[in-house]
Amino acid sequence: KAGVTQTPRYLIKTRGQQVTLSCSPISGHRSVSWYQQTPGQGLQFLFEYFSETQRNKGNFPGRFSGRQFSNSRSEMNVSTLELGDSALYLCASSLDGEGPPLHFGNGTRLTVT
Amino acid sequence: AQSVAQPEDQVNVAEGNPLTVKCTYSVSGNPYLFWYVQYPNRGLQFLLKYITGDNLVKGSYGFEAEFNKSQTSFHLKKPSALVSDSALYFCAVRDTAYGGSQGNLIFGKGTKLSVKP
Repeated sequence: KAGVTQTPRYLIKTRGQQVTLSCSPISGHRSVSWYQQTPGQGLQFLFEYFSETQRNKGNFPGRFSGRQFSNSRSEMNVSTLELGDSALYLCASSLDGEGPPLHFGNGTRLTVT
Repeated sequence: AQSVAQPEDQVNVAEGNPLTVKCTYSVSGNPYLFWYVQYPNRGLQFLLKYITGDNLVKGSYGFEAEFNKSQTSFHLKKPSALVSDSALYFCAVRDTAYGGSQGNLIFGKGTKLSVKP
């Protein structure tokens, strides 16, 4: 069974641009959650999707958005990039979101210059 | 508000010795506590969880954690450390401000475990 797949693995963008990251959950999993990992702030919850609906959102500005498709794949978008958005973005999937995320992808490393 | 603290940035242990990675928590209501491990350039791997029940929780790779309500701690332990256990360890608590969903976790800052041969 394939694990959680995040693409791309690495991205370099400049300030002001926007970026879209993709996450394909484990087959059959309907819940996808996103986290941002930085050296300064550590791991922070961004949002969670279940069956195409955002169930909750962390404390991030509106420049951070996401969506989930009918096949459970999820994307997150960051608009008007800032230097501080440089981070490792992790996606996790679970069957129904009723337990802790068990399966994480290897992340997308975003560098904003 | 829920929170977790990992008081040690780094823990150094000799291979074969027991290891402990500390975590304390602050929650309102019953705590839902978790441990994850992260290897370099990889995502997180789930190790174990405490929801309710026995205070000693056994997890993956020989790890266990002891829940102590009076000390509000959830320390990760392993009887005999391996060099391959060297990694970054995160303690997490479910943010119960969002009812129902357990995807919203609050993580500690992480503890780097270094096991020397």
